[in-house]
Amino acid sequence: AQKVTQAQTEISVVEKEDVTLDCVYETRDTTYYLFWYKQPPSGELVFLIRRNSFDEQNEISGRYSWNFQKSTSSFNFTITASQVVDSAVYFCALSEARRAGNMLTFGGGTRLMVKP
Amino acid sequence: KAGVTQTPRYLIKTRGQQVTLSCSPISGHRSVSWYQQTPGQGLQFLFEYFSETQRNKGNFPGRFSGRQFSNSRSEMNVSTLELGDSALYLCASSLEVANSGNTIYFGEGSWLTVV
Repeated sequence: AQKVTQAQTEISVVEKEDVTLDCVYETRDTTYYLFWYKQPPSGELVFLIRRNSFDEQNEISGRYSWNFQKSTSSFNFTITASQVVDSAVYFCALSEARRAGNMLTFGGGTRLMVKP
Repeated sequence: KAGVTQTPRYLIKTRGQQVTLSCSPISGHRSVSWYQQTPGQGLQFLFEYFSETQRNKGNFPGRFSGRQFSNSRSEMNVSTLELGDSALYLCASSLEVANSGNTIYFGEGSWLTVV
């Protein structure tokens, strides 16, 4: 069965520090998709990135970067030079291709607090 | 382009009552799914609809039901409400692209409190 683990429940950093959020997943599927979402206090899940299992290239988007390593089943997310506006709960999620449709399995989330 | 829209945003119900939540997906998206988020259980998949048919179902009791209309809008219903049903209910939609994996977009959610 699929599973996503975010071992860090809460992280606190000071503004301008770099921070890495860890995500480890389990799946028996060979084709799958990994996601990161940001959840501010308003509740909406804001889509950040989707990565296909056959694409192991790392990705950078502004201050955000993602490191996907199939060998360790990890999909970690780094925020460089963190800002107060980055404070939120971040979720990693997995979707398996063998199952028709769209069904996400989420990790427990990591609450990031960025202090000024 | 409008995002996923959910109504109502906040509601309070009494135990034993029933509730209906509504979701309008992003224009052109035919897949709509629902998730429940609670502090104890986290984010859990409820069900997914595509072309008015339930395509996937999570592990929830039959009190939780849903449907999708021909315009892709969806509703979910919870009958005989229990205190434990208090949660944030999130709706998500996606554009169906075969064999490609779909980006799933979420609405702001409906905050349900059962008293």
